[in-house]
Amino acid sequence: EDKVVQSPLSLVVHEGDTVTLNCSYEVTNFRSLLWYKQEKKAPTFLFMLTSSGIEKKSGRLSSILDKKELFSILNITATQTGDSAVYLCAGTKTSYDKVIFGPGTSLSVIP
Amino acid sequence: SAVISQKPSRDICQRGTSLTIQCQVDSQVTMMFWYRQQPGQSLTLIATANQGSEATYESGFVIDKFPISRPNLTFSTLTVSNMSPEDSSIYLCSVEHGGEQYFGPGTRLTVT
Repeated sequence: EDKVVQSPLSLVVHEGDTVTLNCSYEVTNFRSLLWYKQEKKAPTFLFMLTSSGIEKKSGRLSSILDKKELFSILNITATQTGDSAVYLCAGTKTSYDKVIFGPGTSLSVIP
Repeated sequence: SAVISQKPSRDICQRGTSLTIQCQVDSQVTMMFWYRQQPGQSLTLIATANQGSEATYESGFVIDKFPISRPNLTFSTLTVSNMSPEDSSIYLCSVEHGGEQYFGPGTRLTVT
């Protein structure tokens, strides 16, 4: 059965800290790993990772995929209160028929 | 990219009634996905809707409870039937376009 696991499930940090969110997956016919940020209702897309070892960056956020060990990390440097959200990791399949979501990591950044 | 709109954005409904949620995409897409997110939970896939064929439901979800229409390549509806308080959730429409997954703004449903 396909599954995506995230850790930690929740995290509280102070502004300026650096955080690392973990995602491991077991997805048959794996195609890509997606990261989303969810604040209110709809998740907003952060990264799509398809190749191992290639870091993707967007401002203070970066992510990398290890297809051998079946995991990905999302790093956030110099955290701000606006980074407080649930971060979702998801795996997609080559059949394009579904996206498998992890439980999410709830990040709280306190001033 | 794909821009998705959903209607209604929120609703409060009485137990035993039904609500139909509409999803409109600004691009033609083959598959549209309907997700549910119960309070404090991650997204759970309800069904995949392909144009011109019956929707494919995930384990635990049935057509009688969540009928779906997909009349064309840019539109779909999800009906939540005979609602109970346990159906109180955010319902999200999603599409895959250009290799990325996009989500609608969601419909927040409260059943009293």
